[in-house]
Amino acid sequence: DAKTTQPPSMDCAEGRAANLPCNHSTISGNEYVYWYRQIHSQGPQYIIHGLKNNETNEMASLIITEDRKSSTLILPHATLRDTAVYYCIVRVAGTSGTYKYIFGTGTRLKVLA
Amino acid sequence: DAGVIQSPRHEVTEMGQEVTLRCKPISGHNSLFWYRQTMMRGLELLIYFNNNVPIDDSGMPEDRFSAKMPNASFSTLKIQPSEPRDSAVYFCASSFGLARNEQFFGPGTRLTVL
Repeated sequence: DAKTTQPPSMDCAEGRAANLPCNHSTISGNEYVYWYRQIHSQGPQYIIHGLKNNETNEMASLIITEDRKSSTLILPHATLRDTAVYYCIVRVAGTSGTYKYIFGTGTRLKVLA
Repeated sequence: DAGVIQSPRHEVTEMGQEVTLRCKPISGHNSLFWYRQTMMRGLELLIYFNNNVPIDDSGMPEDRFSAKMPNASFSTLKIQPSEPRDSAVYFCASSFGLARNEQFFGPGTRLTVL
């Protein structure tokens, strides 16, 4: 079962910041939060990940609350090409020291012109 | 780099036929994942390999599904016999070990079983 909950859909005006929330209240201390997005029917694309500190890269920023029970993905200046389904994922430990993702249902972000 | 390569991109078959989906991971990656995506169930992890060894196949729906990774550059997902409920988009992804955790996804294979 997915360990994250996200709103099913959001709209954002082009050029504005898009703030996508995610709840992961059952996250364990060593489990990372990952964000991927899926544009139309393409394969999911990695955006960013973090453990407890805020992270920023060329695509987005990730803000994780101090208790780690929720996070927010920020796209600082959304464009029409950012229209996609955004998945917040908790990476869980698999077997033999490996890890795997459990995808939830994601947030469908529509960027409006 | 060509990225993760999957073939075929589209497959239409009749119920009862055998279906084989193929995946070539990114060179140098040692972990490979097979996912299935449907409207009803979203993205589900079916099986994953590390260094060509199957690690976790708990997501494989039933014995009709099997996956192999004979070498570091090739994997197959086989469905035999196929059923209409197997219709979905099947994604393959690869990653480099544990230090580089990002998974790179292929374009997917859209399977339709009539």
